[in-house]
Amino acid sequence: QSALTQPASVSGSPGQSITISCTGTSSDIGGYNYVSWYQQYPGKAPKLMIYHVNNRPSGISDRFSGSKSGNTASLTISGLQSEDEADYYCSSYTNSITLPYVFGTGTTVTVL
Amino acid sequence: EVQLVESGGGLVQPGGSLRLSCVASGFTFSYNWMYWVRQAPGKGLVWVSRINIDGSTTTYADSVEGRFTISRDNAKNTLYLQMNSLRVDDTAVYYCTRDLAWGRFDPWGQGTLVIVSS
Repeated sequence: QSALTQPASVSGSPGQSITISCTGTSSDIGGYNYVSWYQQYPGKAPKLMIYHVNNRPSGISDRFSGSKSGNTASLTISGLQSEDEADYYCSSYTNSITLPYVFGTGTTVTVL
Repeated sequence: EVQLVESGGGLVQPGGSLRLSCVASGFTFSYNWMYWVRQAPGKGLVWVSRINIDGSTTTYADSVEGRFTISRDNAKNTLYLQMNSLRVDDTAVYYCTRDLAWGRFDPWGQGTLVIVSS
């Protein structure tokens, strides 16, 4: 199962909005509404930010939002803050015969 | 507080074995499918294995099939990963996580580092 494709890096200035894309196929993102997004600081564990395409867990800022169109999911961070500087990974359910989930390649967000 | 705490990592020679543990607290462990995920140094996240609520169903990534065994003890709220025939490319931080529902993975443990080297 190939990893979902994310841009290696995205950057923005404080207060701006940025969008991270996550591209898959009809066997994963395009076929199911089970896309999630994780934030990871260096040396730390991943943290769930968005699940089921566009749902935020309790305690996650509404500056984070998710969407999906066709085989591509997106994470938008609005009002960018320095604390948003981290790695972000998408994940999707997939109809693989082995493990049913696949991660994206990861995107490093830099706040300029 | 809902929490997962891994342990058992360390330095091992190629061909050796290690058993990782993940202790759950703050929730009913037996209600959830559990997963292991690993991250090689400087690399991305990769799914390793999963187990259903009573341990009767397990699944593995092709890269670890036949070498790793996932198990759980619901009475001890503990998830395990027995890793045999370890290879240099198994070097990674190993995380355990809970599937709340259809890919809603939360929380994650702090991770335990496995280094396979001679």
